[in-house]
Amino acid sequence: EAGVVQSPRYKIIEKKQPVAFWCNPISGHNTLYWYLQNLGQGPELLIRYENEEAVDDSQLPKDRFSAERLKGVDSTLKIQPAELGDSAVYLCASSPGSLGEAFFGQGTRLTVV
Amino acid sequence: AQKVTQAQTEISVVEKEDVTLDCVYETRDTTYYLFWYKQPPSGELVFLIRRNSFDEQNEISGRYSWNFQKSTSSFNFTITASQVVDSAVYFCALISTSGTYKYIFGTGTRLKVLA
Repeated sequence: EAGVVQSPRYKIIEKKQPVAFWCNPISGHNTLYWYLQNLGQGPELLIRYENEEAVDDSQLPKDRFSAERLKGVDSTLKIQPAELGDSAVYLCASSPGSLGEAFFGQGTRLTVV
Repeated sequence: AQKVTQAQTEISVVEKEDVTLDCVYETRDTTYYLFWYKQPPSGELVFLIRRNSFDEQNEISGRYSWNFQKSTSSFNFTITASQVVDSAVYFCALISTSGTYKYIFGTGTRLKVLA
């Protein structure tokens, strides 16, 4: 069974440019998470989806970040415009349910210069 | 508020030594779930264990064991006879069942197992 797939693995952009990350969760997993992980820190939740509904986006900086999960499967996370402080690893994870173990992708390492 | 504390930032042990990673959590809920994840150098977090708040039995899986004590709000992880392949960052996490089921991670403990 395929795991959570994220792309791209690495992205370097100049500040003020837009960037988008894509996530394909494990088939059948209704719950999808986007996390941000800074160096030496634990993952911090940005947004959680149950099917296509964003049930927790309280930590998402909505002035520049947006996310969508069309048809309750794939998801994209967008930053526009990017700032230097957005440099981090962006992790996507999926779970069969909101209280279950999460399966993580390999992440996208974003560098904003 | 929910919180997970992993006070040990980094631990180094020599191969075959036993090592315990500490995790202390805070929650006001009576129903919650605790997790441990491993993040090897490749970067992908790997699920290790999930426990609910009503099951305080210790669990053993091969060289791994977990000690859950509600009285001290701790969920510690022990690796017996450590191996170089155990070198990774280990994260403890909590989901409380009130509110929006927020998945909260600790800051992680980096384990270095030296040959």
